[in-house]
Amino acid sequence: NAGVTQTPKFQVLKTGQSMTLQCAQDMNHNSMYWYRQDPGMGLRLIYYSASEGTTDKGEVPNGYNVSRLNKREFSLRLESAAPSQTSVYFCASSGHEAFFGQGTRLTVV
Amino acid sequence: AQKITQTQPGMFVQEKEAVTLDCTYDTSDPSYGLFWYKQPSSGEMIFLIYQGSYDQQNATEGRYSLNFQKARKSANLVISASQLGDSAMYFCAPSTTGNQFYFGTGTSLTVIP
Repeated sequence: NAGVTQTPKFQVLKTGQSMTLQCAQDMNHNSMYWYRQDPGMGLRLIYYSASEGTTDKGEVPNGYNVSRLNKREFSLRLESAAPSQTSVYFCASSGHEAFFGQGTRLTVV
Repeated sequence: AQKITQTQPGMFVQEKEAVTLDCTYDTSDPSYGLFWYKQPSSGEMIFLIYQGSYDQQNATEGRYSLNFQKARKSANLVISASQLGDSAMYFCAPSTTGNQFYFGTGTSLTVIP
């Protein structure tokens, strides 16, 4: 029972590079989310998707784009990475409570 | 975004004692849920307990219980009989009818043997 799987687990980018974080869930949930967590901080919502085909901005959407490819998959793209985007990124899905992936530790140098 | 306040950045509790972690929130949504999550040093997010805004009784789940005061918009987590494995960050997260989860800044709990 995989739950929420996100890849990669670790990534180092140079400033200006782009990358896509992948997330997939196998719980048939409608809602999916992307969060970032900075040291000593809580999780801040970047984008969420209430259902397949819909996405909405959260608290900190600038510098990110998302795609809800289908019900299972929700990807997060950084078009031009900046050092301020160094963080741990979590994907989650929910039917009731939210289930989280293991996180992606991203460093932008 | 909702405003969620967890005023205790760090808490210490003696093993086997009870501890209360505070959470207040600000939502105009009449129907919402209140979730608590635990994040150990390994980093994963673990769901602990849920309270619906219309639930009449405070939620309990094993050693976890919620002291829910709807009028004050307060939902404090009570951990009874603390164990060393309870040492972690704890996050309060209200969710709205749109099923959006917003998290507080968390409380770091350290259980002392």
